[in-house]
Amino acid sequence: QKEVEQNSGPLSVPEGAIASLNCTYSDRGSQSFFWYRQYSGKSPELIMFIYSNGDKEDGRFTAQLNKASQYVSLLIRDSQPSDSATYLCAVNDGYSSASKIIFGSGTRLSIRP
Amino acid sequence: ETGVTQTPRHLVMGMTNKKSLKCEQHLGHNAMYWYKQSAKKPLELMFVYNFKEQTENNSVPSRFSPECPNSSHLFLHLHTLQPEDSALYLCASSQGAGEPFFGPGTRLTVL
Repeated sequence: QKEVEQNSGPLSVPEGAIASLNCTYSDRGSQSFFWYRQYSGKSPELIMFIYSNGDKEDGRFTAQLNKASQYVSLLIRDSQPSDSATYLCAVNDGYSSASKIIFGSGTRLSIRP
Repeated sequence: ETGVTQTPRHLVMGMTNKKSLKCEQHLGHNAMYWYKQSAKKPLELMFVYNFKEQTENNSVPSRFSPECPNSSHLFLHLHTLQPEDSALYLCASSQGAGEPFFGPGTRLTVL
């Protein structure tokens, strides 16, 4: 069974520091990788996607992918209290005409002032 | 309306009731999904529709019955639910194998 693993946290990071969130996946054939942010009581919101090995940067967010190690991470620079949320890692095979995305259980991030 | 909308946002029902959840996407996507999110559990994919044809049913009990009349609308018909079915039900849409965009969800409570 395909799995996506995340540390549930909570991960506590001081304001202004770098938050590092990690995710591993079991399906070596996975092609697409996503990070979603979910505030309490709200639906998930896409913040990053990455398809190729290496780093992808978007503002304060950097996604890192290592397919050989089946590992994907999200770095948040200059962490703000508004970044406090649950971060969901998601993976799919990318071949289907419709997505069959598997989600991790999420890491709860808390930014302390 | 923009994005993905869901109604109702909150629903309380008894185990003998029949109700329906509605989802509409305004993004021109071809695929639509139902996910279930229970407390402290990963998002569970329930159903996938591609161009209004069901392509995935993840062993969901028959008391959940999806309907997709076209690529923009998706329903989840509920009957004789159990208290353990209480959860946040999320609808999403995507273009092909791209990233799903989620609606706000329906918070369902089964008494």
